[in-house]
Amino acid sequence: GEDVEQSLFLSVREGDSSVINCTYTDSSSTYLYWYKQEPGAGLQLLTYIFSNMDMKQDQRLTVLLNKKDKHLSLRIADTQTGDSAIYFCAETTGNEKLTFGTGTRLTIIP
Amino acid sequence: DAGVIQSPRHEVTEMGQEVTLRCKPISGHDYLFWYRQTMMRGLELLIYFNNNVPIDDSGMPEDRFSAKMPNASFSTLKIQPSEPRDSAVYFCASSFDRGTLMYEQYFGPGTRLTVT
Repeated sequence: GEDVEQSLFLSVREGDSSVINCTYTDSSSTYLYWYKQEPGAGLQLLTYIFSNMDMKQDQRLTVLLNKKDKHLSLRIADTQTGDSAIYFCAETTGNEKLTFGTGTRLTIIP
Repeated sequence: DAGVIQSPRHEVTEMGQEVTLRCKPISGHDYLFWYRQTMMRGLELLIYFNNNVPIDDSGMPEDRFSAKMPNASFSTLKIQPSEPRDSAVYFCASSFDRGTLMYEQYFGPGTRLTVT
């Protein structure tokens, strides 16, 4: 079945860029997503990318997709304390069911 | 819209008791998902519905778990009898078919269940 892997933890200094990585196994993925979970809250969609794109930029967020290597990354520029959260990568093969990764806990160092 | 509503937000119960978690999806959404989140296992999909009909319940741990969706605006997840290993945060999420293959799931705030 599908598998989505992420590293569990990332620490970044305030003002630096954060890069969160994700690998997936299903080559028929159509959309890939990044969700953010703040403490005590549910997940919230941050951004997404269609599989025929290799990059998407949205303000401080840059998503890179390497379909050949099945690798997805999320770059957050000028990381702020409010970016502290757990970030989940997710993929779908064109239906309503998402497969989520393990989540990466981003900690900001002042 | 108020978003996905879940109740209760916190539930503490003793082993063996029945627990019922409730969810109200966003109006107009035709998909409803139940997830469980733990430190050990991460985020697990338990079951999901389309137009009130269960589509995939392969993630339901065992017969102690059951879920219903009697109408488009209400769903329940029941655990009977509850066990300490059921302690987790349970999320409900809803989405709708945009016709573009892109599905955004809207999550509720979760119910933190503690079984002692």
